[in-house]
Amino acid sequence: GENVEQHPSTLSVQEGDSAVIKCTYSDSASNYFPWYKQELGKGPQLIIDIRSNVGEKKDQRIAVTLNKTAKHFSLHITETQPEDSAVYFCAAITGGSGAGSYQLTFGKGTKLSVIP
Amino acid sequence: GAGVSQSPSNKVTEKGKDVELRCDPISGHTALYWYRQRLGQGLEFLIYFQGNSAPDKSGLPSDRFSAERTGESVSTLTIQRTQQEDSAVYLCASSLVSGGPVEQFFGPGTRLTVL
Repeated sequence: GENVEQHPSTLSVQEGDSAVIKCTYSDSASNYFPWYKQELGKGPQLIIDIRSNVGEKKDQRIAVTLNKTAKHFSLHITETQPEDSAVYFCAAITGGSGAGSYQLTFGKGTKLSVIP
Repeated sequence: GAGVSQSPSNKVTEKGKDVELRCDPISGHTALYWYRQRLGQGLEFLIYFQGNSAPDKSGLPSDRFSAERTGESVSTLTIQRTQQEDSAVYLCASSLVSGGPVEQFFGPGTRLTVL
């Protein structure tokens, strides 16, 4: 099955600096890579995703890059703000189990702290 | 519109008791997933529903865990004879069904504590 590794487990940055979180995956058949933000006491919320036919995607201050050859993908947050403080999870989906299930395999999360 | 809701938000139970956790998905979302999140860990897949059937139960950790869905809407996750290692946050997610993976929308979770 799929295995997703995520680093670092904790990250502290000064407000305005950039933050980078990296993930690797094991299944070369994986084709969809979402990133979720989870605030305390809440469920994860999708912030950006990328599919395997694209190398980079950007949405305002957030960008994701994908290297299929190396089987790794990264989240980049620029101009960080205190409200970016949360736990971030990367995930991977191996398309369709035949049963139609697109179950997510998650990394263990990165706790990002943005210091004002 | 309303998102995914789960109840109860917190549940404390004694070892050996049965518990039921409820998920109300977004209206019209045929796909429904249950995940478990242990403290400081990522989410682990438990079970997937397509409509009212569960074609993928591969993540259920033991036969003490079961789930059902009715009316292509509400789902209930049941844990029988709870053990302390069952303590976790149980999250439900729903999505539209398409020919490929799409966004899964998560509920706030039920925090289960087994004493």
